[in-house]
Amino acid sequence: DTGVSQDPRHKITKRGQNVTFRCDPISEHNRLYWYRQTLGQGPEFLTYFQNEAQLEKSRLLSDRFSAERPKGSFSTLEIQRTEQGDSAMYLCASSSWRANEKLFFGSGTQLSVL
Amino acid sequence: DAKTTQPNSMESNEEEPVHLPCNHSTISGTDYIHWYRQLPSQGPEYVIHGLTSNVNNRMASLAIAEDRKSSTLILHRATLRDAAVYYCILGVISGNTGKLIFGQGTTLQVKP
Repeated sequence: DTGVSQDPRHKITKRGQNVTFRCDPISEHNRLYWYRQTLGQGPEFLTYFQNEAQLEKSRLLSDRFSAERPKGSFSTLEIQRTEQGDSAMYLCASSSWRANEKLFFGSGTQLSVL
Repeated sequence: DAKTTQPNSMESNEEEPVHLPCNHSTISGTDYIHWYRQLPSQGPEYVIHGLTSNVNNRMASLAIAEDRKSSTLILHRATLRDAAVYYCILGVISGNTGKLIFGQGTTLQVKP
């Protein structure tokens, strides 16, 4: 069990550019979640996968955001045409079907949009 | 989604017990009470969860009021490493989507 891994840890980009983040969940965890956290706030739910199926998306996930989990393993979160308001920590978490109540979070990707 | 209310901050002395309160007066019968904590520069970490009965694990204890409208996370002997933001969250486990609704949490400071 190597934990949830996120890459990159930090990303600085200019407004209008596209960015993509990757999340590798704990192996054999069938559920994967994306959250966003801004300074001083708790994490906000963005979306959730069960295996490769994206089962729920928050209203926070605008059309510029897309997430995939093509083979039910790793996941990517892409933000197109970034805006300064997208600056935040993007957190990934995974959970096992045996213990859905226990989410394991990665250390996140800190995005700064200039 | 049912909401929780927590104090913004608390202080504790090292090696003393800490009681972190949480109010959830609109809790429904299927809501579990979850606690996560977040250390600086890290993602949240699961601490404990419960439904009706008090729960203990190696990290903490969870005391749930009889009417379930409040709960208390108990750290038996605070250490400096317990300084973190503690989140009290309500969620359904059966069919749970993992959609945990985090509030602002309680920032715990531990003084040596």
